[in-house]
Amino acid sequence: KAGVTQTPRYLIKTRGQQVTLSCSPISGHRSVSWYQQTPGQGLQFLFEYFSETQRNKGNFPGRFSGRQFSNSRSEMNVSTLELGDSALYLCASSPRGTGELFFGEGSRLTVL
Amino acid sequence: GQQVMQIPQYQHVQEGEDFTTYCNSSTTLSNIQWYKQRPGGHPVFLIQLVKSGEVKKQKRLTFQFGEAKKNSSLHITATQTTDVGTYFCAGSRYGGSQGNLIFGKGTKLSVKP
Repeated sequence: KAGVTQTPRYLIKTRGQQVTLSCSPISGHRSVSWYQQTPGQGLQFLFEYFSETQRNKGNFPGRFSGRQFSNSRSEMNVSTLELGDSALYLCASSPRGTGELFFGEGSRLTVL
Repeated sequence: GQQVMQIPQYQHVQEGEDFTTYCNSSTTLSNIQWYKQRPGGHPVFLIQLVKSGEVKKQKRLTFQFGEAKKNSSLHITATQTTDVGTYFCAGSRYGGSQGNLIFGKGTKLSVKP
């Protein structure tokens, strides 16, 4: 079974730009969660989607948004990038939205 | 809000020594999960504990969930260089949604051969 796939793996943007990250969950998994990982703040929850509906949202500004498609693939978007948005963005899927999280390799975003 | 504190932040051990990381929550947890992240890698699920006082073992790893369901520990016996990485606990107060999982900041383990 293929794991969670995230694209792109690495990207460099400048302040003010926007970015879209993609996540393909494990086949059959209906829940997709997004996390931001930084050395200072650790793993912080962004949002969770289940069957195309946002089920939960973390404490991030409205510049961070996401969506889930009918095939469970998910995208997250960050608009008006700031230097502090530089981080590893991790996507995780799970079959039902509870229990074990299966993480992807992450998308490493650098904002200059 | 709910907080999950993890100590120590760093631990350096000689190969063969034991290692323990502790996780403490400000609130009673529904369950707790443990993950390992190798350098340059992504978090990988190790185990989930649900019951008060639960103890689970995976080879050299022993996981405990406190009686009050507010703390947990991971103990590694006779560390090996393959144990290097950051160990995270993640506690859920309500369950039912991954959004309720709060991650600790992790304990970074280094093992000197």
